[in-house]
Amino acid sequence: EADIYQTPRYLVIGTGKKITLECSQTMGHDKMYWYQQDPGMELHLIHYSYGVNSTEKGDLSSESTVSRIRTEHFPLTLESARPSHTSQYLCASSDSQVSYNEQFFGPGTRLTVL
Amino acid sequence: KNQVEQSPQSLIILEGKNCTLQCNYTVSPFSNLRWYKQDTGRGPVSLTIMTFSENTKSNGRYTATLDADTKQSSLHITASQLSDSASYICVVSDRGSTLGRLYFGRGTQLTVWP
Repeated sequence: EADIYQTPRYLVIGTGKKITLECSQTMGHDKMYWYQQDPGMELHLIHYSYGVNSTEKGDLSSESTVSRIRTEHFPLTLESARPSHTSQYLCASSDSQVSYNEQFFGPGTRLTVL
Repeated sequence: KNQVEQSPQSLIILEGKNCTLQCNYTVSPFSNLRWYKQDTGRGPVSLTIMTFSENTKSNGRYTATLDADTKQSSLHITASQLSDSASYICVVSDRGSTLGRLYFGRGTQLTVWP
């Protein structure tokens, strides 16, 4: 079991609310990622980070924002949630010094916006 | 366009039986291919990783094969157990970027019945 944690695991909120999804890893990995996954569909990369103070947008356009102030922490924020944001959000991390750059995934946050 | 296609989309087998899942990809330049297991409501967990020069790799009852010439991979599960019920995702990494971009299939949903 990888040492990467996400909170909350489940979140149901109303439209217009600001939310932050937390992701932490204790493995000292330099790279971190956020993916979005809808049921029966593939994972889509929405944000990634090479290290502290580095953040980039992924392949899938997202209205969310991220920050990387500490190596172990990579929170994702939605300023104003909408029903279209309903999805599962998966955080991952990897060590660029290790072969294959294997990514370890957290358990995910299931977000429902009413 | 870099793509990963998996078949079948879903599969039901009886406990103790074997099964084989298929993956075709068009990702280029190819770096490595991974098979992940994703339990419902959880993040993906890596089963095997294979590079261009490897054509088979085992992890317990899971055996993955890779034909880099035809760009096909398979995951064979032997003597299935109820705990094997999950989505199995084929993921291909390219070596054309420093990120080591991952391309995800939609997964095969395997259900093992007693």
